Amino acid sequence: AQSVAQPEDQVNVAEGNPLTVKCTYSVSGNPYLFWYVQYPNRGLQFLLKYITGDNLVKGSYGFEAEFNKSQTSFHLKKPSALVSDSALYFCAVRAANQAGTALIFGKGTTLSVSS
Amino acid sequence: KAGVTQTPRYLIKTRGQQVTLSCSPISGHRSVSWYQQTPGQGLQFLFEYFSETQRNKGNFPGRFSGRQFSNSRSEMNVSTLELGDSALYLCASSRRTSMISTDTQYFGPGTRLTVL
Repeated sequence: AQSVAQPEDQVNVAEGNPLTVKCTYSVSGNPYLFWYVQYPNRGLQFLLKYITGDNLVKGSYGFEAEFNKSQTSFHLKKPSALVSDSALYFCAVRAANQAGTALIFGKGTTLSVSS
Repeated sequence: KAGVTQTPRYLIKTRGQQVTLSCSPISGHRSVSWYQQTPGQGLQFLFEYFSETQRNKGNFPGRFSGRQFSNSRSEMNVSTLELGDSALYLCASSRRTSMISTDTQYFGPGTRLTVL
């Protein structure tokens, strides 16, 4: 069965510091991996995805993520956090050999950036 | 290009009633998926529609159903509402150009359903 784990319910960082939001996954075969962000009372906004190729993926708003196959991880990173990055972040996975577009999501990590 | 739209944004129903939620995908997107988001269970996949046919289904009871129209718009119906159905219902669309898709799902703002 496919699954995603986000081990931290909350991550606190100071503005200007680097941030990391952790994600590990479990799928049969190769994964397609996604990061989304959700602001209060809003839907999910797509940040970035890994399909194949370069393990370092760059996305929207200065975010990037590194795919590590041996550790089955796909951590989200940003070199310098902004207060406006404070939101709920979701990691999601889909098996590459799966028909359709359905995603399995992690429980989410709340990022809090203090000024 | 307009994003995914969902109507209504907020809905209050009582137990035993039924409800229909609507989703209009991004223009050109042919796949529509529905998800339920609750504080306890997080984001859970309900079903996916593509070319007016349900292609995938999550682990939800038969009270949850949907359909897709020829213009790719989708509706989701929940019958005999229960208190536990209170949730944010999110619709997502993607191009889905092939059976096995690398396409991204883009989400609408959701419909907040409260069951009293």
